[in-house]
Amino acid sequence: SQQGEEDPQALSIQEGENATMNCSYKTSINNLQWYRQNSGRGLVHLILIRSNEREKHSGRLRVTLDTSKKSSSLLITAPRAADTASYFCATLFMNRDDKIIFGKGTRLHILP
Amino acid sequence: KAGVTQTPRYLIKTRGQQVTLSCSPISGHRSVSWYQQTPGQGLQFLFEYFSETQRNKGNFPGRFSGRQFSNSRSEMNVSTLELGDSALYLCASSYRDPALYEQYFGPGTRLTVT
Repeated sequence: SQQGEEDPQALSIQEGENATMNCSYKTSINNLQWYRQNSGRGLVHLILIRSNEREKHSGRLRVTLDTSKKSSSLLITAPRAADTASYFCATLFMNRDDKIIFGKGTRLHILP
Repeated sequence: KAGVTQTPRYLIKTRGQQVTLSCSPISGHRSVSWYQQTPGQGLQFLFEYFSETQRNKGNFPGRFSGRQFSNSRSEMNVSTLELGDSALYLCASSYRDPALYEQYFGPGTRLTVT
């Protein structure tokens, strides 16, 4: 079964309003990564957050990780039309055969 | 640096045939992972190769196999194709362990099985 589950499945917001996506997972992880995918193309790595970190920033992106709740959130500040894409969280395990598990993603649509 | 390249980009095959997909990682990257993406199942991990050895394997049947060459280039093979194998196949390279380092994805190979 999928480890990471993003919420919501789809999100439409106005340009400039902050966009928040959440990811929940079931078992302990080594780290968690967020990726973006534009329209059926390859994925682009956004942020990696380790299990001992609580928050990370990269440009307009802010990721939090709460290991007690087994959840992570991705905040995009002042999104633009170019941020329209699907966003995936990936949970990663050092000592499991299926070591990388992606959620089904949040489809983000930024309205002009 | 050149990015991850995958060939071919599009492929149409018939049920029962076999297919080989190719991936060239970023120079210096020794880990190559393969993923299958479908609308129903999402992104699923197939396997990871490091220094010509398969280190990890996802929950896929034995029809899915792969290999990695000494120059880190990788191929994956699917034998006896089924309609359900229609998917976008993505390859990703990483400096070392993808559980510790970011992955760089190629554009994918769109496989259609008829």
